[in-house]
Amino acid sequence: DAGVIQSPRHEVTEMGQEVTLRCKPISGHNSLFWYRQTMMRGLELLIYFNNNVPIDDSGMPEDRFSAKMPNASFSTLKIQPSEPRDSAVYFCASSFSDRGNTEAFFGQGTRLTVV
Amino acid sequence: AQSVSQHNHHVILSEAASLELGCNYSYGGTVNLFWYVQYPGQHLQLLLKYFSGDPLVKGIKGFEAEFIKSKFSFNLRKPSVQWSDTAEYFCAVNRGNSGYALNFGKGTSLLVTP
Repeated sequence: DAGVIQSPRHEVTEMGQEVTLRCKPISGHNSLFWYRQTMMRGLELLIYFNNNVPIDDSGMPEDRFSAKMPNASFSTLKIQPSEPRDSAVYFCASSFSDRGNTEAFFGQGTRLTVV
Repeated sequence: AQSVSQHNHHVILSEAASLELGCNYSYGGTVNLFWYVQYPGQHLQLLLKYFSGDPLVKGIKGFEAEFIKSKFSFNLRKPSVQWSDTAEYFCAVNRGNSGYALNFGKGTSLLVTP
């Protein structure tokens, strides 16, 4: 398996524009996580899905952020409209677990810069 | 809310020195514990994990960690670091039997000098 695949790797956009980040989890995994990494806050969980259903979205910072998982092999994280403070590295991770006792595998991340 | 604390934010060591990075968590129930490493410009990779059994866990690249339940700790150790261990190290916890998402500490930046 190629691992968790994220696209794009880098995104530079202007404030106010819509940004869509994409993630393909490892085949067979049933949990998917979106994290945001910044120098100030470290790694923050934004949202996670189990069997394509959002379980906890309490980490989504604002209504400008939304995430979907239409099927087991694809998820998107959308920011609309984007703001400079959204600049960060966004990681997607996936795991197979029925009790949380397996590791999460991370993608390479998307470095987002909002100017 | 469950939290994960890493005591050392920046550590500088010379090659061959011993390493210990502290990690404490606040949740009192059953937990699963992890250490991840992030090399410069890379994604997070698992170093080791603890689910149950022997509280002394051995991971890749000579790393080990000890789970001390009474202290809510899961410290990472390596007897002799190498320059290639320069990276950011993250402790993470999730709650066994409910909730799958990892809660991460703020990370410890390790610099190993030749």
